[in-house]
Amino acid sequence: DTEVTQTPKHLVMGMTNKKSLKCEQHMGHRAMYWYKQKAKKPPELMFVYSYEKLSINESVPSRFSPECPNSSLLNLHLHALQPEDSALYLCASSHREQILSLKNTEAFFGQGTRLTVV
Amino acid sequence: AQKITQTQPGMFVQEKEAVTLDCTYDTSDPSYGLFWYKQPSSGEMIFLIYQGSYDQQNATEGRYSLNFQKARKSANLVISASQLGDSAMYFCAMREALYTGANSKLTFGKGITLSVRP
Repeated sequence: DTEVTQTPKHLVMGMTNKKSLKCEQHMGHRAMYWYKQKAKKPPELMFVYSYEKLSINESVPSRFSPECPNSSLLNLHLHALQPEDSALYLCASSHREQILSLKNTEAFFGQGTRLTVV
Repeated sequence: AQKITQTQPGMFVQEKEAVTLDCTYDTSDPSYGLFWYKQPSSGEMIFLIYQGSYDQQNATEGRYSLNFQKARKSANLVISASQLGDSAMYFCAMREALYTGANSKLTFGKGITLSVRP
């Protein structure tokens, strides 16, 4: 199983709504990531989890709240979003880095959730 | 400072011909990894090929090869025998080793759009 599964695929939410994005992988990866991607732009890192602990937060607004309940699951809780938060949200996972070797640390991505904030 | 630079405008190639997509990077870390990803219009990010900073040989994966010139800090992707299905956006990305036990972030260049003509 080399898949990262994201749900839902599409989400429309109002600015006062609370919603969650879900991500699941069963590849035994211990690093998981959330990226945000606007059309025709590169993915921008939001969060990195290593061994279920938040290791990198790229100064993301608190209206985005990540959660890693176990080694296979990653959630992104959304609250009071703005229309400019509309984007493709990509989840990814990878093996842990080894000392002096980044081999096999390619990130495997899910198909993303297309989020529209109205 | 921008760590990954992809400056080519949209690229066009005739089916069955080879094409080179350029990528330059900037880092002072001796241990780093370079990755190429393909993103079709469906949105999924597909890993293509990896090159480590200590690797002595250029990476190859099927029709993909990486022209790694460490002194020039370039890692160009070569796609041989282009196919119509190769039409997509292509991103170069880099990891710099953290040495902390946590995973580093994968930073992307702004991407290149490749169109394969029949």
